[in-house]
Amino acid sequence: GEDVEQSLFLSVREGDSSVINCTYTDSSSTYLYWYKQEPGAGLQLLTYIFSNMDMKQDQRLTVLLNKKDKHLSLRIADTQTGDSAIYFCAESIFGGSQGNLIFGKGTKLSVKP
Amino acid sequence: DTGVSQNPRHKITKRGQNVTFRCDPISEHNRLYWYRQTLGQGPEFLTYFQNEAQLEKSRLLSDRFSAERPKGSFSTLEIQRTEQGDSAMYLCASREGGEQYFGPGTRLTVT
Repeated sequence: GEDVEQSLFLSVREGDSSVINCTYTDSSSTYLYWYKQEPGAGLQLLTYIFSNMDMKQDQRLTVLLNKKDKHLSLRIADTQTGDSAIYFCAESIFGGSQGNLIFGKGTKLSVKP
Repeated sequence: DTGVSQNPRHKITKRGQNVTFRCDPISEHNRLYWYRQTLGQGPEFLTYFQNEAQLEKSRLLSDRFSAERPKGSFSTLEIQRTEQGDSAMYLCASREGGEQYFGPGTRLTVT
């Protein structure tokens, strides 16, 4: 079956690195995503990685993918108070006609000054 | 603004009433998705359009829900005879290649 799991909370100090972890179950996932959601807002696409990649870096964000263990992580360097939000991991099986996303429950990141 | 837009942003309705939401996707995207998000959960897939064709419906989409995308551009989601359990954020997304972008959502409250 399809399932995405994340820890629910993470608290860090401003300036530290944050690492948010995610596990997924569907080995046929082709894209894996990280979204950010602030209170009352929609989802902001932060980054995504294609399943044939191990790592992707985009400014302060680093995504690591371990396909063998079905483990995805998001590292935020130099975390700022503005990074406080809920971060969702999602997988997609992009083949055929669908491509809808399957989300975890989200990790609430709290950044303390 | 060339992102995904949704209207209205908030809707309060009495139980039993019908409501309709609108989504305008990014103009060149032919894939459009509706999701529902309840408090403390991630979004859950409801339905998917490729151009004007509705190609997939989740089991979450009961008979009281209907979605259309008549000209392959904007889409509407209608809920008939609303129930309190329909209270949620309804999110629309459009996709091109690997990138799926979400609108701001419509928050529905059924009283």
